[in-house]
Amino acid sequence: SQTIHQWPATLVQPVGSPLSLECTVEGTSNPNLYWYRQAAGRGLQLLFYSVGIGQISSEVPQNLSASRPQDRQFILSSKKLLLSDSGFYLCAWSYRLTDTQYFGPGTRLTVL
Amino acid sequence: QKEVEQNSGPLSVPEGAIASLNCTYSDRGSQSFFWYRQYSGKSPELIMSIYSNGDKEDGRFTAQLNKASQYVSLLIRDSQPSDSATYLCAGDTSGTYKYIFGTGTRLKVLA
Repeated sequence: SQTIHQWPATLVQPVGSPLSLECTVEGTSNPNLYWYRQAAGRGLQLLFYSVGIGQISSEVPQNLSASRPQDRQFILSSKKLLLSDSGFYLCAWSYRLTDTQYFGPGTRLTVL
Repeated sequence: QKEVEQNSGPLSVPEGAIASLNCTYSDRGSQSFFWYRQYSGKSPELIMSIYSNGDKEDGRFTAQLNKASQYVSLLIRDSQPSDSATYLCAGDTSGTYKYIFGTGTRLKVLA
């Protein structure tokens, strides 16, 4: 069966500091991978998706970036965090872009 | 702007009752719809997907899709306190891979 991991689970960072969140998927090959952000009281916002190694599509202009260095690894980064970057960051995977998406446990980021 | 709309609630139902959660969508070309349950502080977990008009049943859950009315609903029979959570509705967008999520309906099942 497939398993998706995210770490860290929680993170408190000062404004202007860098960020690196990691997501890995086990039990499947060549998954489609997604990064979402869920701000308090708001819906899930798609940030990035990837259909393969090195292939990243950005949905929303922001100070975040994503990378996929390995087939089942997806990384979300920032060089300088803003207060508005606070939120619950969710990684998801699917077999195909139109298939059901399955979410990881999430990382709760607080920027102070 | 393509949207999926849900009443934020809370929707309160007594234990054992039927909870009815509703969702409307604006993209007439949407084909796939999903219901996720999200407990406070946790990530969304898939309850059901539905692609065709009509009803789809899975245990205590029934999803209903009406494409003509652009309406999706989720019925939870014999509601339990453990069903208390936020329920997210999502739909695909025509011609793309992207899912649009509603902001969720908070359900409270009262013991």
